[in-house]
Amino acid sequence: TQLLEQSPQFLSIQEGENLTVYCNSSSVFSSLQWYRQEPGEGPVLLVTVVTGGEVKKLKRLTFQFGDARKDSSLHITAAQPGDTGLYLCAGGNNNAGNMLTFGGGTRLMVKP
Amino acid sequence: DTEVTQTPKHLVMGMTNKKSLKCEQHMGHRAMYWYKQKAKKPPELMFVYSYEKLSINESVPSRFSPECPNSSLLNLHLHALQPEDSALYLCASSQDTVPPPWDEQFFGPGTRLTVL
Repeated sequence: TQLLEQSPQFLSIQEGENLTVYCNSSSVFSSLQWYRQEPGEGPVLLVTVVTGGEVKKLKRLTFQFGDARKDSSLHITAAQPGDTGLYLCAGGNNNAGNMLTFGGGTRLMVKP
Repeated sequence: DTEVTQTPKHLVMGMTNKKSLKCEQHMGHRAMYWYKQKAKKPPELMFVYSYEKLSINESVPSRFSPECPNSSLLNLHLHALQPEDSALYLCASSQDTVPPPWDEQFFGPGTRLTVL
């Protein structure tokens, strides 16, 4: 069974601060997806990384896939209240019929 | 268009009721999924359909019955549910369950189900 450990579980910061969310596993994933979810809504796909060492940027968000494809990070620069939400990482495995292994989630609150 | 739609948005039902959740996508995706999500938890996979055939059932109780009438539609029929089944039910779709070498899942907005 593949597991993804996501940290921190909860983060409360002031507007303008930077933060990093981590997803770690002992298993190799073929892809790593990051989602953001607001209360009562479905997760919205932010990015998918597939190559070890890959870095993708989405405005103030920077996503990195570890060289061994076992871990990933999401860094937010100058956080804004609109970034508030639940951030989920999910690992894909070609050998598992595209079943996703979800991390436990990071609940981010950005205070104005 | 990367939209997955779900109806209804909210559903309240008694334990003796029969109801259905609906999901639709027009992205040409051939894999569709049902997830259950409890508060402050990540989504839990329930069922996977690939090319309109059930490929994965994650040991879900028979009071949940999925149906895939065609490649764009996915239903979840509910009967004799328990209060602990109250949750957000999410539908997702992806291009194919045999990706070259990866794939992305797009989620709908969910149906908030309350069982009384």
